Amino acid sequence: GDSVTQMEGPVTLSEEAFLTINCTYTATGYPSLFWYVQYPGEGLQLLLKATKADDKGSNKGFEATYRKETTSFHLEKGSVQVSDSAVYFCALFNQAGTALIFGKGTTLSVSS
Amino acid sequence: ETGVTQSPTHLIKTRGQQVTLRCSSQSGHNTVSWYQQALGQGPQFIFQYYREEENGRGNFPPRFSGLQFPNYSSELNVNALELDDSALYLCASSLPGDNSPLHFGNGTRLTVT
Repeated sequence: GDSVTQMEGPVTLSEEAFLTINCTYTATGYPSLFWYVQYPGEGLQLLLKATKADDKGSNKGFEATYRKETTSFHLEKGSVQVSDSAVYFCALFNQAGTALIFGKGTTLSVSS
Repeated sequence: ETGVTQSPTHLIKTRGQQVTLRCSSQSGHNTVSWYQQALGQGPQFIFQYYREEENGRGNFPPRFSGLQFPNYSSELNVNALELDDSALYLCASSLPGDNSPLHFGNGTRLTVT
C-alpha cells in the first residue's frame, strides 16, 4: 500500500544553518505531495504542496521538489530560525484522493 | 476567514465510556475528515464525510463513528473506550474534489484512564 518514510529525528541545528529533511514515498500513480508543520500544542498547518512531477512547492523560505525518478520530496530551507522549531510531516493522498497518509514526523530543534 | 475549530480541547474519560468530539469546518469547506494522532506518531485517517455521508474510512473499528450536519460541522463518536484510544484527535476540512489540501484544527486531546 501507499506509504511515506521520513528521516528519523530529532534534527538539532543552530540558527542560520541549512536544513534538509528527507522524505520518500511509495504510491500507485503520481499522488499530490505535502509538507505539514505542527507547533507544540497545535494542529497541523499546511507548509507547502506539489501536485505533479518536477513541481516545486515553496513557502516561508521552505522548498521541496517532487522527484518522480527517486520518489522523493525532501524539505529544505537555506537558513533556519528558532521559530522554525516544530515537528514536520511529509504526506501524500491515497489513490482515492480522500485520505492523507503521513510519515512519522521529524522533530526540528533550532537553537540561537 | 474562520478556520477549523474543535471542542473540547481536552477530555478525560474512563475505559468503557463513550465520547463525542465536535468540529466546525472552515468557511466554504464542505468536506470533513477525522484523524487520530498517537503520541510521537503521524496522524492516522479515521474517516471522511462529504454531503453528510461517509466518503472513505481508514482501518478503525465500527465503534468509531461520525456524523456531518447540513452546516458541514461534524462529530466523532467513540464507544466502549479503550486505553489505546488516548490520542490527539484532529479534524480537517477541505473544498470538494480529490486532492484538495486539508486544513486542520488544533485537535482534542483525549485521555482514557
